[in-house]
Amino acid sequence: EPEVTQTPSHQVTQMGQEVILRCVPISNHLYFYWYRQILGQKVEFLVSFYNNEISEKSEIFDDQFSVERPDGSNFTLKIRSTKLEDSAMYFCASSGDRGSGYTFGSGTRLTVV
Amino acid sequence: GNSVTQMEGPVTLSEEAFLTINCTYTATGYPSLFWYVQYPGEGLQLLLKATKADDKGSNKGFEATYRKETTSFHLEKGSVQVSDSAVYFCALSPYYGGSQGNLIFGKGTKLSVKP
Repeated sequence: EPEVTQTPSHQVTQMGQEVILRCVPISNHLYFYWYRQILGQKVEFLVSFYNNEISEKSEIFDDQFSVERPDGSNFTLKIRSTKLEDSAMYFCASSGDRGSGYTFGSGTRLTVV
Repeated sequence: GNSVTQMEGPVTLSEEAFLTINCTYTATGYPSLFWYVQYPGEGLQLLLKATKADDKGSNKGFEATYRKETTSFHLEKGSVQVSDSAVYFCALSPYYGGSQGNLIFGKGTKLSVKP
């Protein structure tokens, strides 16, 4: 069964550093998403991406965040200058034509120290 | 706006007990509804979904019926097992068909099943 692959599974970074979280969505999917889950809390939408541009973003997705699909297969989330409160599990997801549903990756746990 | 309200946890049950986790939603248009499960240390897995009113989603003994009149999508299982211990999330997609637009999640309900 097709999977969404996320790397790394766990990343530790120092406050103020830039991080890039990587995702390989399902190959024939058209819509791509990032969500985050702070430990013990709800899953929150960050951004959706379609046709090589952001289609929707939440208030969490401020100027410190950016997304890119650099090569037609990878989908990345960059945090420019990490803060302690960015520590969370970040989930990538993709979806295809109507009815295909969403598939989530297994997540990247980001720890900012 | 769109929102999902889920019953607060944690829920602790004995093995073979009946499970209900309540979920209600607020949405415009024709949303699709989902239940996701998160086992300890793992990511989100789709458990079941329903894309229109009166649809019943089912998987692994779990069921949920999309009730437009009560705006609900309660999760049920007749006999829980220890292996069902996990966090369960109710979610809503704003569009019919459930493949577009961001998912809106409830806060999650932690289920612990004791032998």
